[in-house]
Amino acid sequence: QVQLVQSGAEVKKPGASVKVSCKASGYTFSTYGISWVRQAPGQGLEWMGWISPYNGNTNYAQKVQGRVTMTTDTSTSTAYMELRSLRSDDTAVYYCARELIGAAGNNWFDPWGQGTRVTVSS
Amino acid sequence: DIQMTQSPSSLSASVGDRVTITCRASQSISSYLNWYQQKPGKAPKLLIYAASSLQSGVPSRFSGSGSGTDFTLTISSLQPEDFATYYCQQSYSSPPTFGQGTTVEI
Repeated sequence: QVQLVQSGAEVKKPGASVKVSCKASGYTFSTYGISWVRQAPGQGLEWMGWISPYNGNTNYAQKVQGRVTMTTDTSTSTAYMELRSLRSDDTAVYYCARELIGAAGNNWFDPWGQGTRVTVSS
Repeated sequence: DIQMTQSPSSLSASVGDRVTITCRASQSISSYLNWYQQKPGKAPKLLIYAASSLQSGVPSRFSGSGSGTDFTLTISSLQPEDFATYYCQQSYSSPPTFGQGTTVEI
């Protein structure tokens, strides 16, 4: 079955960097884009950006532009999200999600990884 | 960015109740609207895509409707496993944005 499995929880100090992985299985990895979405404690969902495993094209949210880098390794069907210069408000659960595109050009996220908790604390 | 506003923010319901959640976009998004269910400590799960298409494996008691700026998610007969938080999300333009969520409680 289609599955995305993420790396484990991280605790980082302010100013540090974190790199979260998302390993895909059950489908041809290069066929679908991967988005990253985060959720701060008790809050809603915030899209961070997207990457195409096919050609490496990316699209980042303005809020994290300049601090985030998304990459993929097609040999291992793994996507990565690196966030630098961490601050306390980056504390959140980070999700990867496969992006599907419909015939009309609309798109949706399915499935999602299980989430990776990143805590930023001194 | 397109703002998505859900109402209510939370609601109390009983098993067997018909539940309706609304989502309003700050501009027309055609039918580029998706619904997700999230249970505590779990990842979101896709329920409805393109406003009214039921994702494979999702029970038929879930349905979606609407186009333009106003959308609804309906649960025809609430089941115990449906107590969760529901999010709408627009895919009309980048960045994709989510509503603030609606929590369905007992």
